[in-house]
Amino acid sequence: QSALTQPRSVSGSPGQSVAISCTGTSSDVGGYNYVSWYQQHPGRAPKLMIYDVTKRPSGVPDRFSGSKSGNTASLTISGLQAEDEADYYCCSYAGIYTFVVFGGGTKLTVL
Amino acid sequence: QVQLVESGGGVVQPGGSLRLSCAASGFTFSSYGMHWVRQAPGKGLEWVAFIRYDGSNQYYADSVKGRFTISRDNSKNTLYLQMSSLRAEDTAVYYCAKDFPHWASDYWGQGTLVTVSS
Repeated sequence: QSALTQPRSVSGSPGQSVAISCTGTSSDVGGYNYVSWYQQHPGRAPKLMIYDVTKRPSGVPDRFSGSKSGNTASLTISGLQAEDEADYYCCSYAGIYTFVVFGGGTKLTVL
Repeated sequence: QVQLVESGGGVVQPGGSLRLSCAASGFTFSSYGMHWVRQAPGKGLEWVAFIRYDGSNQYYADSVKGRFTISRDNSKNTLYLQMSSLRAEDTAVYYCAKDFPHWASDYWGQGTLVTVSS
């Protein structure tokens, strides 16, 4: 069982927006502004999409945005495109004993 | 451009050992912390270990503490993961990843598969 809880799957049509939630505790998501999100296509390495809750690395489209409220972080993808279909993982710093925890992953299907 | 290339994966018997390597290029390796992250077949990502830029501190997931050792050779731009007392549940693709601010990872290798089986 993963430390962070994500929905197993979400879906949306091209052009729509979807949000993926990531629920942790006050010891990880709620305790630090160090949540990151990764996109992973089948057979490929993960790609960083969001870091520090809301920041986008260079080259990531602004259709991807992150937020946090309490112990739950969210990744929102607007203007869905076919190439957005992938698995998405959230990740959080969890303090000096656990360090890093991941969510179980969410499969995004673009209908 | 940044490149991370893992090697050393393979099939090993339960209780055996294996050493993974990750050759880094395209950035100042000695200035960045590095992570190992693994992914069991069909499963999600699991953080394994982290080492600071100068090797001064290492941190481990509870699932591997005492069995795995992360190290680095900054003169060779290479990261290592020494794995011992391997178990079936260690079977996974192992990725090395460059640290980004605050425990994120902005570059990942292609991964190397470790299979623990008799």
